[in-house]
Amino acid sequence: GENVEQHPSTLSVQEGDSAVIKCTYSDSASNYFPWYKQELGKRPQLIIDIRSNVGEKKDQRIAVTLNKTAKHFSLHITETQPEDSAVYFCAEQNDYKLSFGAGTTVTVRA
Amino acid sequence: DGGITQSPKYLFRKEGQNVTLSCEQNLNHDAMYWYRQDPGQGLRLIYYSQIVNDFQKGDIAEGYSVSREKKESFPLTVTSAQKNPTAFYLCASSTGLAGTYEQYFGPGTRLTVT
Repeated sequence: GENVEQHPSTLSVQEGDSAVIKCTYSDSASNYFPWYKQELGKRPQLIIDIRSNVGEKKDQRIAVTLNKTAKHFSLHITETQPEDSAVYFCAEQNDYKLSFGAGTTVTVRA
Repeated sequence: DGGITQSPKYLFRKEGQNVTLSCEQNLNHDAMYWYRQDPGQGLRLIYYSQIVNDFQKGDIAEGYSVSREKKESFPLTVTSAQKNPTAFYLCASSTGLAGTYEQYFGPGTRLTVT
């Protein structure tokens, strides 16, 4: 996680509101940026990803934006639901290796 | 949840003992990875292998060893030289093809050393 900074570390939102998680990276050669969701005691699962030639990608309630000039990317979750409560990790890939952020614990309040 | 498996789910060892964690995949993936997860620190890369009989150190390889004798298997040995081995260990695999980077994770092994 040294190459990727992730903020905030915890996020509490009211059900129905939006959640935004931001990550910054340092390696300009990075070309792939996935987001993983990890529920308690379970394996991380890919929820969305973006490649360096794209600025934004959406999949239903989740979206990711990438600003290569500023070297940051963000995850947006709209209309949050209780099942969105989990730890979310951003990552960057250079060559065949992923470097992960420290994670954001998202809690959706009913 | 099939495709990549790890065993056992929980492992307990005494300090000073080596222990080997199993990782098997039937996805026909060339690349395999081992990560360590500690609270508040995300996932850190221990070792990775892009092809059979070849592997490279990740960011925190000290105290660990691996082998890749078969495409399907990538066992991790936690040696007595690892200063703080208690952690959650995750194995992952990917196709290894250029431009296809998604990594699939196993269910993990929680190792406790006392």
